[in-house]
Amino acid sequence: GDSVTQMEGPVTLSEEAFLTINCTYTATGYPSLFWYVQYPGEGLQLLLKATKADDKGSNKGFEATYRKETTSFHLEKGSVQVSDSAVYFCALSPYSSASKIIFGSGTRLSIRP
Amino acid sequence: DAMVIQNPRYQVTQFGKPVTLSCSQTLNHNVMYWYQQKSSQAPKLLFHYYDKDFNNEADTPDNFQSRRPNTSFCFLDIRSPGLGDAAMYLCATSRDPNSNQPQHFGDGTRLSIL
Repeated sequence: GDSVTQMEGPVTLSEEAFLTINCTYTATGYPSLFWYVQYPGEGLQLLLKATKADDKGSNKGFEATYRKETTSFHLEKGSVQVSDSAVYFCALSPYSSASKIIFGSGTRLSIRP
Repeated sequence: DAMVIQNPRYQVTQFGKPVTLSCSQTLNHNVMYWYQQKSSQAPKLLFHYYDKDFNNEADTPDNFQSRRPNTSFCFLDIRSPGLGDAAMYLCATSRDPNSNQPQHFGDGTRLSIL
């Protein structure tokens, strides 16, 4: 079945460091891909999305590119801030079951001042 | 601002005592979802409504029920909560069940079972 695998956390970085959180997926057809962020005590917020191969989603300095050849959607940011500390979920929406979202297990990110 | 609102933010109930969690939305979205999220885990979809059509996930326990009396409101009923049902419950909406449409989440209700 469809699934999402993302790097396990926690990830701890210093402020202004470069961030990469790896995400790979397994799906038939052409799913849509998302990154959601969950700040402490809050629900999930959509961070960015990509709906077809080679699309790049971007928001708040974060970027991810839909790579069909490697079935990946890695999240990157050039210079992280303390306020980026949160849990990040990679997710897909299967083409065959568009109402569903399948989440990865989440990666907790902590940024040191 | 248009949003998804969940009440209450924290709910405590007793083992076996029925509890209802509520969700309202001002986005006028057609689809409303309920997720269960346990500590350090990904959200797990329990069920969703597309308009009035109810769609239950195959592995959702019978103990969990839902009602959607109108477009704006959706309720999660847990008939006889067990200790294993302690979790964060997230409500989400989307405009329609299209893979291009992201889901909009509320801040969740954290349920504790005594």
